[in-house]
Amino acid sequence: SYELTQPPSVSVSPGQTARITCSGDGLPKKFAHWYQQKSGQAPVLVIFEDSRRPSGIPERFSGSSSGTMATLIISGAQAEDEGDYYCYSADSTTNHKGVFGGGTKLTVL
Amino acid sequence: EVQLVESGGNLVQPGRSLRLSCTASGFTFGNFAMHWVRQVPGKGLEWVAGITWKSGSTGYADSVKGRFTISRDNAKNSLHLQMNSLRVEDTALYYCAKDGSGYDFDYFDQWGQGTLVTVSS
Repeated sequence: SYELTQPPSVSVSPGQTARITCSGDGLPKKFAHWYQQKSGQAPVLVIFEDSRRPSGIPERFSGSSSGTMATLIISGAQAEDEGDYYCYSADSTTNHKGVFGGGTKLTVL
Repeated sequence: EVQLVESGGNLVQPGRSLRLSCTASGFTFGNFAMHWVRQVPGKGLEWVAGITWKSGSTGYADSVKGRFTISRDNAKNSLHLQMNSLRVEDTALYYCAKDGSGYDFDYFDQWGQGTLVTVSS
C-alpha cells in the first residue's frame, strides 16, 4: 500500500527555519498537502497543492516539492507553531484514495 | 462561516454497527467532495473514506473496505458513515472534512471537531 514517510520529530530555536519533509513514490504525480494540529484541536490546512497557502495562514509557512519529496518550511518559527504536522496526498496508484504521513512533532524551544 | 458538526459516536461492542453523521452549513454542500478521517487518541491521522459531490465515486482505506459505507444527502447537507462489523482497532475520534474539490479527492480545507467511537466489550 502507498505510504508517506515523515521524520517523527523536528526541533528548532525560535526564529530559526524549520523544515519538515515528506517522502513518497507518488509525489512526482500527486500534490502534497500539509496540516497543523495543536493539542486537543482539529487539524488545520496550512499548505495545499505543494506550495499554496490558504488565506489566514501566516506567510512564514511555505511549501515545496521535488521528485519524491515534499517539504514544509516554517521561516522564523515561533512558539505558537509547536504542534504536530501531517502531510497528505492522494494515492497515485488508485483513484479516490488518500494517505497521511505518520506526522512530525515540531518543538520550538 | 463553514461549520461541520459530527454526531453518532458512542461506546459499542465488537461486531456491532454504528452510524455517524455530519451536518454541514456555511457553504454549498453539494458542490464539494467530503471525507471521514479518524485519529486514535495520541496517534496520527488516518484517511477513512471519501465521496465525490454527486456520490458518483467513493473510496475507502483498506482497513475499512467492505465494512464501512460512506454516503451523503445533498438535500439535507449531511454526510454519513455506516460502520459495520466494528473492531477494537476502529476506536478513534472520527472527523468529517470538506474537500477543496467537487469531483475529485484533493485536500481538506475545513474540519469538524470530531465524534468519538469506542469499540469495547
